[in-house]
Amino acid sequence: AQSVTQLDSHVSVSEGTPVLLRCNYSSSYSPSLFWYVQHPNKGLQLLLKYTSAATLVKGINGFEAEFKKSETSFHLTKPSAHMSDAAEYFCVVSDYNTDKLIFGTGTRLQVFP
Amino acid sequence: DSGVTQTPKHLITATGQRVTLRCSPRSGDLSVYWYQQSLDQGLQFLIHYYNGEERAKGNILERFSAQQFPDLHSELNLSSLELGDSALYFCASSVGASGVTDTQYFGPGTRLTVL
Repeated sequence: AQSVTQLDSHVSVSEGTPVLLRCNYSSSYSPSLFWYVQHPNKGLQLLLKYTSAATLVKGINGFEAEFKKSETSFHLTKPSAHMSDAAEYFCVVSDYNTDKLIFGTGTRLQVFP
Repeated sequence: DSGVTQTPKHLITATGQRVTLRCSPRSGDLSVYWYQQSLDQGLQFLIHYYNGEERAKGNILERFSAQQFPDLHSELNLSSLELGDSALYFCASSVGASGVTDTQYFGPGTRLTVL
């Protein structure tokens, strides 16, 4: 069965420093992977998605993620955090057998001035 | 703004009651998905409709039901409500029939509080 594990429930960074949100996946086939962001009292917004093209995926707002099959990872990075990046981030894996998305438990990113 | 609208924004009701949540997908999208987000269960997929037909079912309780109407809006009906049903309910929409290859656009959610 498909699954996704977000390794950190909370990450705190200072404004202007790099962001790393970690995600490992489990899949019996080459999956599609997504990162969604949820700002307080808002719906989820797609940051980026990987669908077996380039392994380095660029998303919105300066975020990118690298698909590493050997490590079964899809970590989200940003070179320089901004205060507006404070939000909950979800790593998501596709399950083609059931045609559903499987969401991770989320990582809350705090950005300090 | 994703283009997906959900009403109402907040709903407070009592145990045993029945409520209806409404979702209008983005213009041109044929699929509607319902999710439940709670502190203990996280984000759980409930059900997916494509062009009026049920496409996939997730962890949806028998007390819950949904439908998609000819104008493509969808309603999620929750009955015999329990305290544990308190959660944020999201609707998402996508263009095609696939729940995993098409990008899903999420609405702002309906926060349900059961007292």
